[in-house]
Amino acid sequence: EIVLTQSPATLSLSPGERATLSCRASQGVGGCLAWYQDKPGQAPRLLIYGASNRAGGIPARFTGSGSGTDFTLTISSLEPEDSAVYYCQQCDNWPRTFGQGTKVEIK
Amino acid sequence: VQLQESGPGLVNPSETLSLTCTVSGDFRNTDYWSWIRQPPGKGLEWIGYVFYRGTTNYNPSLSRRVAISLDTPRKQFSLTLRSVTAADTAVYFCAAAGNPHYFDFWGQGPLVTVSS
Repeated sequence: EIVLTQSPATLSLSPGERATLSCRASQGVGGCLAWYQDKPGQAPRLLIYGASNRAGGIPARFTGSGSGTDFTLTISSLEPEDSAVYYCQQCDNWPRTFGQGTKVEIK
Repeated sequence: VQLQESGPGLVNPSETLSLTCTVSGDFRNTDYWSWIRQPPGKGLEWIGYVFYRGTTNYNPSLSRRVAISLDTPRKQFSLTLRSVTAADTAVYFCAAAGNPHYFDFWGQGPLVTVSS
């Protein structure tokens, strides 16, 4: 199965700063990658699909990029409500797999 | 689309874990109904899905013990996991999508603990 490695494990930034989250796949997945936001006590939310397409209702400050094995989720200007764990997920191969997550903390 | 899981929060080792996901809202364009779990302190693991026509696809790591079924009239789909151990302790999410690639909608996910 495809292993997704996310880095860093934790990101601690101030409101207004840019957050850059990385997801690296153990083999190429083309553009078949998604990003999710997970907050305690809430249902996870799809942010990005197809590596760079924002899901419905997702603010423009969330941008996905990359292809093949290296992907990035950028949050251009952090808001307090962006405090969460972010997961990447590949859809190129079965079984679907997720990264271990990056925790974004807002100072 | 809104999803709500239900089922016991505690299961004895070697017994069967059963969860149900109830769907509400407009799900006319939602064809794939999945289960995903997250053990405490670990990442997400896709368990499998049932397609609206009834066909299924499971994670090979669990395929010998898992079954997912759909009850369309009742707007529910269910997860059955047999012969559970402590390693099956996790938050169990149900999820839905219009395609087999991503997970558009998620439930909040109850914690299911396997312990005697």
